[in-house]
Amino acid sequence: AQSVTQLDSHVSVSEGTPVLLRCNYSSSYSPSLFWYVQHPNKGLQLLLKYTSAATLVKGINGFEAEFKKSETSFHLTKPSAHMSDAAEYFCVVSDSGNTGKLIFGQGTTLQVKP
Amino acid sequence: NAGVTQTPKFQVLKTGQSMTLQCAQDMNHNSMYWYRQDPGMGLRLIYYSASEGTTDKGEVPNGYNVSRLNKREFSLRLESAAPSQTSVYFCATRMTTNTEAFFGQGTRLTVV
Repeated sequence: AQSVTQLDSHVSVSEGTPVLLRCNYSSSYSPSLFWYVQHPNKGLQLLLKYTSAATLVKGINGFEAEFKKSETSFHLTKPSAHMSDAAEYFCVVSDSGNTGKLIFGQGTTLQVKP
Repeated sequence: NAGVTQTPKFQVLKTGQSMTLQCAQDMNHNSMYWYRQDPGMGLRLIYYSASEGTTDKGEVPNGYNVSRLNKREFSLRLESAAPSQTSVYFCATRMTTNTEAFFGQGTRLTVV
C-alpha cells in the first residue's frame, strides 16, 4: 500500500532564503506524486506533479521538486522564499490501481519571516 | 467555468441531526472523492467514486454515506452527526488515475 511521510510538520525560513520541504513515499509501483499548497482558509492548489516523465519537475511560483526513486523521496524546493509562500504544503501519492485514490501526507506549515 | 462546487460553505449542526453535503463538477471527470481535513492529519479519504455508478469506502467511512447521482454530482450524507465529525470537508475530482485532482473550496462543519 502506498503511503507518504512529510518529515517536518513546521518549517520556518527568512524571506529571500531557500525553502526545502521534505517528503518520502512508499509505493510498490512507479507512483504519481504531487505537491499541493493550501493558504489559510482556502482550498488546495496544485503546485506541481510527477507522472513518470522528467525527474526534475518545475511548478508554479518558482517551486520545483526532484523525484529520486533510489531514496523514495520527492522533496519540494524554492531558491528564494517570499512572504506569500507562507501556507501549508501537502505531498500526495496516487494509488496505482484503478481507484485513483490520493494519499496525503500530514502537511508541512511553512512560515516566512521578514 | 465553475470547476468543483461544494455547498454549503459553512454549517452548524446539533448532535444527532442529519445533513447532506453537495458536490458538483463541470469538468467531465470520471472520479470523485470526499475528504475530511483535521489539524495535523492531512486530508483523509472518506469515500470515493471511481466512475459513475460505483462508490467505495476510503480510510474513514464510518458515520457517512455517499451517492453518485450522475457523472457530475457526488453527495456526502451524515445520518446522525457527532462532534467527532466536526471538520472541513473537501470534494475532489480527477479525470484519470495519473492526473491531478481538482478540489472544491471546502465545507466547514461544526457539530455541537
